[in-house]
Amino acid sequence: ETGVTQSPTHLIKTRGQQVTLRCSSQSGHNTVSWYQQALGQGPQFIFQYYREEENGRGNFPPRFSGLQFPNYSSELNVNALELDDSALYLCASSSGQGGETQYFGPGTRLLVL
Amino acid sequence: QKEVEQDPGPLSVPEGAIVSLNCTYSNSAFQYFMWYRQYSRKGPELLMYTYSSGNKEDGRFTAQVDKSSKYISLFIRDSQPSDSATYLCAMSANSGYSTLTFGKGTMLLVSP
Repeated sequence: ETGVTQSPTHLIKTRGQQVTLRCSSQSGHNTVSWYQQALGQGPQFIFQYYREEENGRGNFPPRFSGLQFPNYSSELNVNALELDDSALYLCASSSGQGGETQYFGPGTRLLVL
Repeated sequence: QKEVEQDPGPLSVPEGAIVSLNCTYSNSAFQYFMWYRQYSRKGPELLMYTYSSGNKEDGRFTAQVDKSSKYISLFIRDSQPSDSATYLCAMSANSGYSTLTFGKGTMLLVSP
């Protein structure tokens, strides 16, 4: 069984640029959630995709957007990067929409200069 | 008031000690309760998953949920230096989509 994978592992961007982060869900999982974890904080929910549709969104501006593909992998796109976007971005996969357990990938560490 | 409160620590204990980690929450709709372990610069790893109130044991780990007090705990017996990590509590309400609400995490340091 393959776990959740994310790419790239690290990324450095400058303010105003755009970034795309990628996630492959665990085998058999059709739901992907994205979280932002700032240094010293717990992860904050960005949005969730279930069967290629956005299924819920946290308190993040529209410049945070995403996609889910037919194989259930997912992308997180962030436009007009700001310094405060520097964080660890985590992808989690699960097998449904309810309270099922979410399994996290290793994360992508983004630094915005 | 944050939805989930967790003391950030650090909590320092000697090897072999019993560790108690706790979270309180305010949202009575939460039904699913989880503990994740996160090593430095890594993704969270699921340790325990509990539905509603009660206890659950897995090896050296015991999770307790008291919904009447809105209080959850994780106990680690015979703590090891390899247990040194940040422990995150998380919970969800199953309100159509399973977003997790996390505490800030408690840093645990187990010294040999």
